[in-house]
Amino acid sequence: AQSVTQPDIHITVSEGASLELRCNYSYGATPYLFWYVQSPGQGLQLLLKYFSGDTLVQGIKGFEAEFKRSQSSFNLRKPSVHWSDAAEYFCAVGAQGTYKYIFGTGTRLKVLA
Amino acid sequence: DVKVTQSSRYLVKRTGEKVFLECVQDMDHENMFWYRQDPGLGLRLIYFSYDVKMKEKGDIPEGYSVSREKKERFSLILESASTNQTSMYLCASSLGSGGGSPLHFGNGTRLTVT
Repeated sequence: AQSVTQPDIHITVSEGASLELRCNYSYGATPYLFWYVQSPGQGLQLLLKYFSGDTLVQGIKGFEAEFKRSQSSFNLRKPSVHWSDAAEYFCAVGAQGTYKYIFGTGTRLKVLA
Repeated sequence: DVKVTQSSRYLVKRTGEKVFLECVQDMDHENMFWYRQDPGLGLRLIYFSYDVKMKEKGDIPEGYSVSREKKERFSLILESASTNQTSMYLCASSLGSGGGSPLHFGNGTRLTVT
């Protein structure tokens, strides 16, 4: 069955520290992969996407993610976190040939000043 | 930039009322979606539409219906609201077919049913 797992419900980092948010997926073929961010009271905003090609993907707001097929992972990273990055982050898989998107349950990021 | 607008940010309704949630997108996207977001459960698809007057059930359609009379507008209807429908509702749109097109989300409607 297709699934997306974000193992960390909450993560706290200090401002200026590096960040890695984990995402593991289960999907039979090469997936379309996405990371979204949701600020409090807002909808989800696309950070980046992976379809094919270079496994390191650059996104907005200084984020990047690396697709590792052997580990079925698509982890999100940022070298230096800003207080404004505090939000909830969702990993998602798009199923080829369908309109179905599978979302993880999210990781809430807290940033300490 | 794609803009998806949900008509209400907050709604409070009584049990048994008929509730309409409206969503409009301005980028001529074929596909529109309604999701429900609850803590610890992530986003769950209620219904989606891939063309005018076309709709398909998602994972949790019970208690909901939808309407898409115009390409830009997708309405979610709670026929008889119940307290377990208290939630955040997110509308989204996407271009093209298949799961490779990113979703563009509205800001959400937080519905409370009392």
